[in-house]
Amino acid sequence: GQQLNQSPQSMFIQEGEDVSMNCTSSSIFNTWLWYKQDPGEGPVLLIALYKAGELTSNGRLTAQFGITRKDSFLNISASIPSDVGIYFCAGQEGAQKLVFGQGTRLTINP
Amino acid sequence: DSGVTQTPKHLITATGQRVTLRCSPRSGDLSVYWYQQSLDQGLQFLIQYYNGEERAKGNILERFSAQQFPDLHSELNLSSLELGDSALYFCASSAGGFNEQFFGPGTRLTVL
Repeated sequence: GQQLNQSPQSMFIQEGEDVSMNCTSSSIFNTWLWYKQDPGEGPVLLIALYKAGELTSNGRLTAQFGITRKDSFLNISASIPSDVGIYFCAGQEGAQKLVFGQGTRLTINP
Repeated sequence: DSGVTQTPKHLITATGQRVTLRCSPRSGDLSVYWYQQSLDQGLQFLIQYYNGEERAKGNILERFSAQQFPDLHSELNLSSLELGDSALYFCASSAGGFNEQFFGPGTRLTVL
């Protein structure tokens, strides 16, 4: 079945640093989504991408739909304490179900 | 606030018991999805309903079942509970297909 590899699994950074994470797939996707989950809460949709090469921003967050359609990237600029949480990528192939990555846990040292 | 509501927030029960989790989708959304998230794990898709009909199935155990009612709210029934069923259960909704799902706050199930 479809598999998503999300990396890194965890990140420990200083406040103010930029963050980069990515997801790669064994399949070609037509949709990539990025979610953030705070402890004990439901995932919150951050960015949705629908076209290869698409670059979309949401405040300090920027995500890109890879040209090969098998990967996606999320960057966070000038991190702040409220960026702490788990970030999930999710991809969809055609009309198939969403497949989620295992998440990147972001920890920020003030 | 995503607009998706789930009840109860927490549920503690014993092995062998049966529980029902409830979800109300965002206003106007026809699709409801159920996911299971075990400790420090990713989201495992269980099942999707669209306008009252089952649309897709994921890794849902035979002990689990779901339905979507005419008012579009959904219930997930978990029976013969085992310790390993302890997890967060999330409901999500979308307007139609699988993309852009909006998640509820989840139900934390603890099986003792």
